[in-house]
Amino acid sequence: SQTIHQWPATLVQPVGSPLSLECTVEGTSNPNLYWYRQAAGRGLQLLFYSVGIGQISSEVPQNLSASRPQDRQFILSSKKLLLSDSGFYLCAWSAGHNEKLFFGSGTQLSVL
Amino acid sequence: GESVGLHLPTLSVQEGDNSIINCAYSNSASDYFIWYKQESGKGPQFIIDIRSNMDKRQGQRVTVLLNKTVKHLSLQIAATQPGDSAVYFCAENISGGTSYGKLTFGQGTILTVHP
Repeated sequence: SQTIHQWPATLVQPVGSPLSLECTVEGTSNPNLYWYRQAAGRGLQLLFYSVGIGQISSEVPQNLSASRPQDRQFILSSKKLLLSDSGFYLCAWSAGHNEKLFFGSGTQLSVL
Repeated sequence: GESVGLHLPTLSVQEGDNSIINCAYSNSASDYFIWYKQESGKGPQFIIDIRSNMDKRQGQRVTVLLNKTVKHLSLQIAATQPGDSAVYFCAENISGGTSYGKLTFGQGTILTVHP
């Protein structure tokens, strides 16, 4: 069966520090991969999605970037974190472009 | 895009009652709909989905109804249990084209089940 792993679960970082969140999927090949952010009490905002290795599409202009170095690995990064980057970050995968998303357990990021 | 406002709709029910959570979508081209359940501090969990060629789909204790005429989606939970307490999100998707069918999420509804 397919599983998705996301880490770390929580992270506290100072303003201006770098960020690297990692997500891996097991049990499937060539998944679509996604990074979402969820602010407290709000819905999910799509940040990036990828349909293949090295293929990244950004949904909103921001201080973050994403990379997909391997088929089942998706990384969310920042060179210098801002206070506004705080939030709950979720990685997700789907088998195709019109299929349900399966989410990881999320990373609660606090930028202080 | 991101939902606005910090006050999510809420629904409070007694254990054993049936719950109905509603969602209105705006894009008439949407043809795939999903309901997710999210517990505090966790990622959303898939509940049930429905495609636009159907009006109703049933799962275990859950039923999703789709009314394309008024662009309305509902999730019915039978015999609601305390473990059903969570935030419920609807999501819509447009297949085809070059959009890769990215999901657009609603703002969510908080369901609280009282024992």
